[in-house]
Formats: sequence, structure tokens, C-alpha cells
Amino acid sequence: QSALTQPASVSGSPGQSITISCTGTSSDVGSYNFVSWYQQHPGKAPKLMIYEGSKRPSGVSNRFSGSKSGNTASLTISGLQAEDEADYYCCSYAGSSTYVFGTGTKVTVL
Amino acid sequence: EVQLVESGGGLVQPGGSLRLSCAASGFTFGSYLMSWVRQAPGKGLEWVANIKQDGSEKYYVDSVKGRFTISRDNAKNSLYLQMNSLRAEDTAVYYCARTGGGYSNGYWGQGTLVTVSS
Repeated sequence: QSALTQPASVSGSPGQSITISCTGTSSDVGSYNFVSWYQQHPGKAPKLMIYEGSKRPSGVSNRFSGSKSGNTASLTISGLQAEDEADYYCCSYAGSSTYVFGTGTKVTVL
Repeated sequence: EVQLVESGGGLVQPGGSLRLSCAASGFTFGSYLMSWVRQAPGKGLEWVANIKQDGSEKYYVDSVKGRFTISRDNAKNSLYLQMNSLRAEDTAVYYCARTGGGYSNGYWGQGTLVTVSS
């Protein structure tokens, strides 16, 4: 049950694209297509942005996209906007009805 | 509208107990797996526990096994977390969440703060 590894921070200018990586193991990210991504603004509850690796919930902008390769999942934000500045967390199913979050990434819009 | 409202947080001494509640509305509570997730001050998210729809199966992160108990009352649309033998490292905002496809948490409450300190 070790946390998935994310970069501590990622930054980009408005309109640019950024990608946040999420590295796990063959016991979690690598074994299941059950990776989700959450956006969290300061003092707020997390918001689901991506589920099952690449699916977007209703209402989430199509500027957010998810993918996976091996033990690493990725979240890409295209057309970066000021309101995208937040913390982002990945999460993976880890078997036996348990799951594990990533260490979190602070996204800064320059 | 889906709503999850946590309550029961507060200040407790090390070794003490606390029971958190989560009142659910706007959906068929008994049809969903439910989870507790916590966030220590200035830290990341940590999954704590989840419970199957009928309450028959419960799962915990290793650090709380034997100390925390998750339960639910589908007739009252409520989720609970009984926390015993609390430690300083249990200090966190505790969120309840509705767990859906792919073990994703599509709905969250506003959280309740638990502070373990003497």
C-alpha cells in the first residue's frame, strides 16, 4: 500500500499543454485499468476528473485526458487555463477492494 | 442532487475514540460502495476504508486495521467510521465518498476535521 509517485509540481503558461505522470507497480497501475484522477482546490473537496484511466465524468472539460502505459498513468491538461491551478491526485485500484492514491502534484499556471 | 454531509469530527486525546457519520441523500444509498478518505494537514489524500453495498465486506488501509471500523445503515442512508485508539498521525480531514465505476469516487462530502492531540 505504498503511495503512487507523482511529480511534486508542474507548471505551464496559459494555452499550453502539461502532463502529470503517476507511477505505480505491477500490483496496482500495471494490473488494472482502474486509474482515476482528482483535482483539488485549496480548502475544497477533491473533484473527479478522469476514471477508468481515460473516461471523463459528465461536466468535465475535454481539455482533460488520461492514458496509461505499463505501470505509469498520465493526465494531460491541454489549453491550460488559470482555473486549472490546483493540486492533482491519481488513484489506482490495488486489488482486494483496496486502492491507493498518488503523492499529489501542484499545477501552477504561469 | 447527490449530497454527502460528514459530522462528528473534533479534538480528541491520543488513545481516545471518535465516531464519524456521513448522511447521504439524492441517490439510492444502498446501491453504492462507500469509502472514507482522509487528508492530513498540508498532505495528500489517503484511502482509509470502504464497505460493500450490503455491508458484508469491509476493507481497510493497513495503518488503521484493528483500530477503525466502517459501517453503514442503509435504512438511514448513513455511513459511519468508528475510530478507536487514536494517534496523532490520525489527525486529518476525513471525507466520505460515493465509490463508482473503476473504484473512482465521483461524489465527496465537505469533510470533517479530526484532531488528535493532548
